Amino acid sequence: DQQVKQNSPSLSVQEGRISILNCDYTNSMFDYFLWYKKYPAEGPTFLISISSIKDKNEDGRFTVFLNKSAKHLSLHIVPSQPGDSAVYFCAASGAGNQGGKLIFGQGTELSVKP
Amino acid sequence: DTAVSQTPKYLVTQMGNDKSIKCEQNLGHDTMYWYKQDSKKFLKIMFSYNNKELIINETVPNRFSPKSPDKAHLNLHINSLELGDSAVYFCASSQLWGAGGYTFGSGTRLTVV
Repeated sequence: DQQVKQNSPSLSVQEGRISILNCDYTNSMFDYFLWYKKYPAEGPTFLISISSIKDKNEDGRFTVFLNKSAKHLSLHIVPSQPGDSAVYFCAASGAGNQGGKLIFGQGTELSVKP
Repeated sequence: DTAVSQTPKYLVTQMGNDKSIKCEQNLGHDTMYWYKQDSKKFLKIMFSYNNKELIINETVPNRFSPKSPDKAHLNLHINSLELGDSAVYFCASSQLWGAGGYTFGSGTRLTVV
């Protein structure tokens, strides 16, 4: 039972355009959502997060949107750069003693072409 | 200066062997984790330790045994390795129990032949 899903295994965009990566979840108890970026042969690195009490969080070129009613979040990268090419993982955590546990989606590989 | 370091980076071993993967963090974090990335690329939690105490133990075969000698180290020992154990294993740490924002190690690619 996969509680966090990224249905697009890959995405290709032109440099300078917007990249939109999507993530769906099933557990309404999740209260914190995160995006991680991963390069080959490296561990995932934290990119941006959002609390369930917000619907938007912005950090430079990266913005995460949360739609709780649809149990959907998305990561927007504007403008996209070739260095953004990586695998992006969506993750979620729940309240209480499950809070330390992150549940990850299977990742979306973003390719930004010059 | 690496924040979360895992050794070895690659490990090839035969079925039935026992092996260990070591993890150390120099961030002063209280909580450490082991995650497994399987062939379908999902990252799944295996164990979590908070201040050397086991907090999360997912449905992992008991051939896998974590050991935390102090809060800066979390090692993973695997007995009687099986082909299905082949995966990339990631260690991670975080500052606060319940908070997001893990720092991951670079992973250990385990191949069982």
